[in-house]
Amino acid sequence: EPEVTQTPSHQVTQMGQEVILRCVPISNHLYFYWYRQILGQKVEFLVSFYNNEISEKSEIFDDQFSVERPDGSNFTLKIRSTKLEDSAMYFCASSDDRLHQHFGDGTRLSIL
Amino acid sequence: AQRVTQPEKLLSVFKGAPVELKCNYSYSGSPELFWYVQYSRQRLQLLLRHISRESIKGFTADLNKGETSFHLKKPFAQEEDSAMYYCALKQTSGSRLTFGEGTQLTVNP
Repeated sequence: EPEVTQTPSHQVTQMGQEVILRCVPISNHLYFYWYRQILGQKVEFLVSFYNNEISEKSEIFDDQFSVERPDGSNFTLKIRSTKLEDSAMYFCASSDDRLHQHFGDGTRLSIL
Repeated sequence: AQRVTQPEKLLSVFKGAPVELKCNYSYSGSPELFWYVQYSRQRLQLLLRHISRESIKGFTADLNKGETSFHLKKPFAQEEDSAMYYCALKQTSGSRLTFGEGTQLTVNP
């Protein structure tokens, strides 16, 4: 069964540095998402992406965040200047019908 | 704003016993409700959604609009059901999922 893949599985970054999290969605899917889960808290929606543009974003997704689909297969989340509170598990998801979202294994981001 | 509440962080039952994982929501429109499951060291997977009215792995969930609930039930729990279960809501428009806090289910032998 096709899967969403995310790299790296764990990213350690100094505060203030830029970080890029990468995702390869399922190949025929058109809708892409990023969620995050701070340790001990809920899974929270960050952003959805369709037709090469952001279709929806949450209040968490401020100017420090950006998403891109650079080459038709990868879907990236960039955090421009990381803060301690950005430490979380970041999940990518993709969907072909906006109903069934398929999740990746997640990237654990640790900010030092 | 929409909200999903799972009142039990931990739930422990014995094998063969019935299990019910509670989910309540608040949303002014017509929601679409889902249950996702995360087995140990695995990814979040869709278990079932209310519009399908299906039973997956013996689990069912009925949307009760009067009580704004979408409880997940299984008549006879199995050890392999031990996992983290998340209830999630999608609004009528858009596709973001709003998740509950999750319930860790442990089925003891």
